[in-house]
Amino acid sequence: KTQVEQSPQSLVVRQGENCVLQCNYSVTPDNHLRWFKQDTGKGLVSLTVLVHENDKTSNGRYSATLDKDAKHSTLHITATLLDDTATYICVVGDRGSALGRLHFGAGTQLIVIP
Amino acid sequence: DMKVTQMPRYLIKRMGENVLLECGQDMSHETMYWYRQDPGLGLQLIYISYDVDSNSEGDIPKGYRVSRKKREHFSLILDSAKTNQTSVYFCASSSTGVNSDYTFGSGTRLLVI
Repeated sequence: KTQVEQSPQSLVVRQGENCVLQCNYSVTPDNHLRWFKQDTGKGLVSLTVLVHENDKTSNGRYSATLDKDAKHSTLHITATLLDDTATYICVVGDRGSALGRLHFGAGTQLIVIP
Repeated sequence: DMKVTQMPRYLIKRMGENVLLECGQDMSHETMYWYRQDPGLGLQLIYISYDVDSNSEGDIPKGYRVSRKKREHFSLILDSAKTNQTSVYFCASSSTGVNSDYTFGSGTRLLVI
């Protein structure tokens, strides 16, 4: 059973618009949550990591929130650029060490059009 | 420049042939991983290596084995490849701790015919 669900599955926005990506999970324990960006044909690049209850992070035009009670995270992208076209993957870690496992969502495919 | 390098980038093999996927990292990370990525699914863990000759099965180890004789190299071996092993394979490495970053390679696209 999939333990990390992302929505929407795909999303098309115009350059300059804002967008919000959602991640719901059932992983227990949920030590931390990461968002990755995967360009087509490339590897995953870490955008941010959230650790604490009600954590919020900001990395340039990317900002993320985590609600551990609801087991829910959002990734906000502000003023999208064409280069934001990629798949965004939500990942939940069940421990804070290498002994833990990462649980991957299937990703949201974002397409930014001119 | 910190990176994980995977070779080859693309590979076509016939069913029953042996396959060797190579991965190297230049960050002296202790932990390395092999994942596969299939359409519509999240990455699935095949094997994890905690250091030289310290390897553990992941969630889908069947049909695969690994080798780590040096900290910077981690190999994935498919003995007698099967068509359902057609996939994109990613290697990754990490140092320990929550705030340490995971570094992924660019992937090897394997087609088994």
